[in-house]
Amino acid sequence: DAGVTQSPTHLIKTRGQQVTLRCSPKSGHDTVSWYQQALGQGPQFIFQYYEEEERQRGNFPDRFSGHQFPNYSSELNVNALLLGDSALYLCASSAQGRVTEAFFGQGTRLTVV
Amino acid sequence: GESVGLHLPTLSVQEGDNSIINCAYSNSASDYFIWYKQESGKGPQFIIDIRSNMDKRQGQRVTVLLNKTVKHLSLQIAATQPGDSAVYFCAENIRAGGTSYGKLTFGQGTILTVHP
Repeated sequence: DAGVTQSPTHLIKTRGQQVTLRCSPKSGHDTVSWYQQALGQGPQFIFQYYEEEERQRGNFPDRFSGHQFPNYSSELNVNALLLGDSALYLCASSAQGRVTEAFFGQGTRLTVV
Repeated sequence: GESVGLHLPTLSVQEGDNSIINCAYSNSASDYFIWYKQESGKGPQFIIDIRSNMDKRQGQRVTVLLNKTVKHLSLQIAATQPGDSAVYFCAENIRAGGTSYGKLTFGQGTILTVHP
């Protein structure tokens, strides 16, 4: 079992560009959550997908959007990148009803220059 | 507002000592509290969780204590080892509309350094 896999591991983008990050959940998991972790801070909840729909959303602007595919994998899209979007983006997967058994991927380090 | 915070940002201990990492929370609607360990370059790794209707839970070398009266959570690590060096986060699971969906709110983290 490969666990939660995220791609790419590192990414450098220019202000104003758009970025897409990808996540494959752990086998057997159907729920994917995305978190943003700024340097020296704890992860902050962006949104959660279940059954291909956004189920919950944190305090992030509409520039942050996502998608979940029928195979439960997910994408995080960020438009009009700002310098402040530089962070580690974490994907966590879990099974419906097993809310505390979330497994995190190693993250994608996004740097906006 | 909703927040989870830590009293100590750094903790240094000697190998073999017991470590205690503390956390304060403010949201009474949380139904689970979870401790994560995050090593450099990795995502958070689940350590142990505790339901809001419990006050103590033990795992392998770890114990979590929950004091709902003062909204305080602690993680105790017995016989701390150099491999325990990492950043430790407490997180609370916020119920939404009466349902637990797994929206986690994390504290800022405590850096644990274990000296051989």
